[in-house]
Amino acid sequence: EIVLSQSPTTITASPGEKVTITCRASSSISYIYWYQQKPGASPTPWIYDTSKLASGVPNRFSGSGSGTSYSLTINTMETEDAATYYCQHWSGTPWTFGGGTKLGLK
Amino acid sequence: EVQLVESGGGFVQPGRSLKLSCATSGFTFSDYAMAWVRQIPKKGLEWVATISFDGSGTYYRDSVKGRFTISRDNAKSTLYLQMDSLRSEDPATYYCTRLGAGFDYWGQGVMVTVSS
Repeated sequence: EIVLSQSPTTITASPGEKVTITCRASSSISYIYWYQQKPGASPTPWIYDTSKLASGVPNRFSGSGSGTSYSLTINTMETEDAATYYCQHWSGTPWTFGGGTKLGLK
Repeated sequence: EVQLVESGGGFVQPGRSLKLSCATSGFTFSDYAMAWVRQIPKKGLEWVATISFDGSGTYYRDSVKGRFTISRDNAKSTLYLQMDSLRSEDPATYYCTRLGAGFDYWGQGVMVTVSS
């Protein structure tokens, strides 16, 4: 089973600040997917195929990485970006998720 | 508009069974593989099971193999999860998801509680 480790677990950022969340895989994977979840809501697809933004996702978000190291970056933090972000892989079952990174507003 | 609406959750004693349903609309159900993903309260997400577009292939996480059965009725555009021999580690919110570019659509989730 591929284990995905996200860091940091919790982070706070001020509006306008740059934010980077990292997802590390225990084995090499082909792509990473990211989901955003706000309290009381279902997860929402955010980034797919490592770097492609899902429909409606602002272009201040970007994704990158390869092999065992991937990241989600917010170029300039906005209040609406406060949420928990999860990474997830498709490189063979079981498909696993990272433990999540809770992004709050400073 | 794509919609996934789960039902069938509730409170059940350990060892008993529960069947979840997911009614879908807004897309051609028979064109897509579907999956169940669960979220343990205040914790992370866990893939549970997947079924191919035509139901010919099913895949499960090890901890539910032999206890859970994923199925679909393409004529009714509905996904199911039969959960037997429920255990204390199974309580969670269960989400019905569509497999597109990742899990590209999610239902609102249904809660399953297992307690004696």
